[in-house]
Amino acid sequence: QVRLQESGPGLVKPSQTLSLTCSVSGTAISTGAHYWSWIRQLPGKGLEWIGYIYYSGSTSYNPSLESRLIMSVDTSKNQFSLRLSSVTAADTAVYFCARVSGGANTLDRWGQGTLVTVSS
Amino acid sequence: EIVMTQSPATLSVALGEGATLSCRAGQSVSTDLAWYQQKPGQPPSLLIFGASTRASGIPARFSGSGSGTEFTLTISSLESEDFAVYFCQQYTEWPLTFGPGTTVDIQ
Repeated sequence: QVRLQESGPGLVKPSQTLSLTCSVSGTAISTGAHYWSWIRQLPGKGLEWIGYIYYSGSTSYNPSLESRLIMSVDTSKNQFSLRLSSVTAADTAVYFCARVSGGANTLDRWGQGTLVTVSS
Repeated sequence: EIVMTQSPATLSVALGEGATLSCRAGQSVSTDLAWYQQKPGQPPSLLIFGASTRASGIPARFSGSGSGTEFTLTISSLESEDFAVYFCQQYTEWPLTFGPGTTVDIQ
């Protein structure tokens, strides 16, 4: 069974960099069968797609975040990561990692999510 | 980016009754439309893709329809586990975008 699990600090100071890692089990990122994505849920429930990464390291980012965003992948650890720089309170959200299904670009497996609060 | 809207924001329904949720895209997405269900404290879960195809394990009481810019999710007879927030999402182009959600609560 495919499982995803987010990890990282729950509290980040304003202007610093938010870093999260998603550990994948039950399938190998290196198969190349899927993109691997980050999504966040802002307070009040809205969902925002952040970006995706492929096993090769190729990426696609949401233009609204692109200037502050770096995603990376480590196929040896079966993990992918997110770094969002210069954070503000507006980046406070629950961050999810998810698998993009083969074929349709839907999100068919999700991690449980991790709350990241930006506050001094 | 393609803006997605949903109506109503909240829908109050009695157990056993039906519910109809609407989703509109700011431009045509053909049938590249998915629906997700989210319960408190959980991630969204894929219900429908291709506007009308149920994901694996989704009961037949959930059905989707529409194409272009207008879409509908219908729950034929609500069960207790169906009270949740429902989101639509377009995947015809990147960035993926979601609607703001419809909360289905118990009347």
